[in-house]
Amino acid sequence: NAGVTQTPKFQVLKTGQSMTLQCAQDMNHEYMSWYRQDPGMGLRLIHYSVGAGITDQGEVPNGYNVSRSTTEDFPLRLLSAAPSQTSVYFCASSQTGNNYGYTFGSGTRLTVV
Amino acid sequence: GENVEQHPSTLSVQEGDSAVIKCTYSDSASNYFPWYKQELGKGPQLIIDIRSNVGEKKDQRIAVTLNKTAKHFSLHITETQPEDSAVYFCAATPDGAGTALIFGKGTTLSVSS
Repeated sequence: NAGVTQTPKFQVLKTGQSMTLQCAQDMNHEYMSWYRQDPGMGLRLIHYSVGAGITDQGEVPNGYNVSRSTTEDFPLRLLSAAPSQTSVYFCASSQTGNNYGYTFGSGTRLTVV
Repeated sequence: GENVEQHPSTLSVQEGDSAVIKCTYSDSASNYFPWYKQELGKGPQLIIDIRSNVGEKKDQRIAVTLNKTAKHFSLHITETQPEDSAVYFCAATPDGAGTALIFGKGTTLSVSS
């Protein structure tokens, strides 16, 4: 049982490049979400999903796309990277119902130059 | 949307002292309030949570209190130890359904021996 797995752990992009941050969970959790963490800003919600085929925007969605084709995977896409997207990105998942305890991945540190 | 404010941003205590971190939220529909601990280089880890039908919850040296009328909740750590040193985040559900979390900006707790 691996929990929430994020890849890659580190990435350097040039401005304008695109990439996909991968997130996979093996706990059969319905809820998944992406956060970015910047110094002094805490964790800010980017996008979230309540199940396969369903996604919604969070606090800071601009510049990011998501899709949820399976219960296990929730990739985050940067279509045209900007220096302002330099951050640490965390994926999290949770069961539905009364158990709202979110499990976080170990993060992806992204630098856009 | 939901807004979560957290104070203080930094907290320094002596080993054995108590530490209190406070959060306020804006959306009266929020009904789930978790606390996360984040150690350097790792993802946030759930340490305790409380739901809106409960006023207080304890787990060994950690307790959380909730005042729904005033829309604030607090984390209490007693008999602090050096290993309690970390960044602590409070969070609330933006829609009352647990689909995702809105976080406070975090408190850096330092426990000196």
